[in-house]
Amino acid sequence: SQQGEEDPQALSIQEGENATMNCSYKTSINNLQWYRQNSGRGLVHLILIRSNEREKHSGRLRVTLDTSKKSSSLLITASRAADTASYFCAPSGNTPLVFGKGTRLSVIA
Amino acid sequence: DAGITQSPRYKITETGRQVTLMCHQTWSHSYMFWYRQDLGHGLRLIYYSAAADITDKGEVPDGYVVSRSKTENFPLTLESATRSQTSVYFCASSLTGVDYEQYFGPGTRLTVT
Repeated sequence: SQQGEEDPQALSIQEGENATMNCSYKTSINNLQWYRQNSGRGLVHLILIRSNEREKHSGRLRVTLDTSKKSSSLLITASRAADTASYFCAPSGNTPLVFGKGTRLSVIA
Repeated sequence: DAGITQSPRYKITETGRQVTLMCHQTWSHSYMFWYRQDLGHGLRLIYYSAAADITDKGEVPDGYVVSRSKTENFPLTLESATRSQTSVYFCASSLTGVDYEQYFGPGTRLTVT
């Protein structure tokens, strides 16, 4: 399976600061996805980065992928209280996604 | 445009009873998935389906049954509910494949007493 492991498990920052969370995985992949889950809700897809891409942006999100190190990072710039959520990475390669336990981000106003 | 819906949203049942959780999507996505989410375990895949009448086991299929007679529906049945099946259940769908973008439903919180 392609399970990713997010780090840190929990992160607390002030509003306006940047938040960085990391994902490591063990096998080769076709792409890697990041999802957000607000408390009590279903996951929401944020961004997909393909294995031949190194960096991708979407609004305040910046994702990097280093296939040689088998790692990815998600940067949220200028965080807002509404960014408070759990974030999951899902490395994938022709098999069903396997979600880790996520990083729980708290943005304090 | 409803997207993906789950029903019921909350359910309390007794040990040994049969329970069916419903999932319906309006996008005609080929792929559909059932996950359970428990504290300390994250999301775990129960079953998935690549098309009508095609289903496959995920990581934790024991005690669950699925069917997919229509593309838009993917019900999950607990044949004889156990307390260990108390969980939040999420249905998801994907247009393109098992490893591409998934759209999640709002979840069903199931309590087995």
